[in-house]
Amino acid sequence: KAGVTQTPRYLIKTRGQQVTLSCSPISGHRSVSWYQQTPGQGLQFLFEYFSETQRNKGNFPGRFSGRQFSNSRSEMNVSTLELGDSALYLCASSLGDREETFGPGTRLLVL
Amino acid sequence: GQQLNQSPQSMFIQEGEDVSMNCTSSSIFNTWLWYKQEPGEGPVLLIALYKAGELTSNGRLTAQFGITRKDSFLNISASIPSDVGIYFCAGQLPYSGNTPLVFGKGTRLSVIA
Repeated sequence: KAGVTQTPRYLIKTRGQQVTLSCSPISGHRSVSWYQQTPGQGLQFLFEYFSETQRNKGNFPGRFSGRQFSNSRSEMNVSTLELGDSALYLCASSLGDREETFGPGTRLLVL
Repeated sequence: GQQLNQSPQSMFIQEGEDVSMNCTSSSIFNTWLWYKQEPGEGPVLLIALYKAGELTSNGRLTAQFGITRKDSFLNISASIPSDVGIYFCAGQLPYSGNTPLVFGKGTRLSVIA
């Protein structure tokens, strides 16, 4: 079966811009989580959506937001980009338990 | 926030050697997971552990959920070049509701043929 897909795979933006990343979970999975991965901080939890509702939220500023659609696809948005937002953004889906399957990630570079 | 202490940070080993890495925490976890990440890819789940003392194998990989619920280890036997990657532990705290995973910072494994 198809895995978790993320688009785009690579993105270059400049400071102050905004960006929207997309995640399509495994068919049947209703939970989608987003993580930020950087060399210094490792994998940091951003938020989780389950059945279109935000179920958990990590310690990130309000510039980071997300949503989930009725087909379980999810988007995350980062507004007013900062240099420190450069990272690999990973999406993971699950049936609602913690055995998450990760997508390949979107690598964002902010210049 | 919560942190998992994962060690070692990196390892260089000869092909055929066994490998051991571990994660510890000051808090109790009710789930431990081990993931492997290769360059350009997302982490892939290797082993999931749900009970204190549980010992689970997946091929050459063996992981255990520590009896105190504050630690877990992963062993890889007879390493091969394709074992190269970053191994992450992740745990779930036992609060009510479906709390998110907390990740260790990873162990970078290099295998010398």
